[in-house]
Amino acid sequence: DAGVIQSPRHEVTEMGQEVTLRCKPISGHDYLFWYRQTMMRGLELLIYFNNNVPIDDSGMPEDRFSAKMPNASFSTLKIQPSEPRDSAVYFCASSLALGFTYEQYFGPGTRLTVT
Amino acid sequence: GNSVTQMEGPVTLSEEAFLTINCTYTATGYPSLFWYVQYPGEGLQLLLKATKADDKGSNKGFEATYRKETTSFHLEKGSVQVSDSAVYFCALNILTGGGNKLTFGTGTQLKVEL
Repeated sequence: DAGVIQSPRHEVTEMGQEVTLRCKPISGHDYLFWYRQTMMRGLELLIYFNNNVPIDDSGMPEDRFSAKMPNASFSTLKIQPSEPRDSAVYFCASSLALGFTYEQYFGPGTRLTVT
Repeated sequence: GNSVTQMEGPVTLSEEAFLTINCTYTATGYPSLFWYVQYPGEGLQLLLKATKADDKGSNKGFEATYRKETTSFHLEKGSVQVSDSAVYFCALNILTGGGNKLTFGTGTQLKVEL
């Protein structure tokens, strides 16, 4: 399996621009997670989906952030407008509900720099 | 609520030294416990897991035992290598009606020197 695929791997943009991050989960997985990692705040869960439906978006920092999962093989995280404080590494992860424990598999991340 | 507490890093060791990274947790139910590792520039990878009390997870020479009485899941390795330099995250999840969120610790950076 190719694992979780994220694109782009690096994104540099100017403040005020729209940024779209993309994720392809592992085929057959039914959960998808978006995380943000910074030195100051560590690893934060932003939102997660189950069977393409958003379950918990309490970690989304503000209305500038939105996430969608139009089908089982694709999700996007959008920031509009972007701000310098959004600079971070954004990870996507997926898992399969099987048994009593759900291991999450992480993508390589997208490093976002907003200038 | 649920939380995970890890020892602060960085932890610096010489090659072949013994490693312990402490992890304790609080949970409202019966959690599964995990250790994830993050190598520089990469995403997190599952290192090992344990799903019930007294279970021992092991992988790549690393071990951790689920201790319910002390609510701990300490990571150990008998002889570290330079290639083990990474950030290690302890995590738990509880299967509730809300789904399968992972609660992570803050991570412990390990540096192994020759």
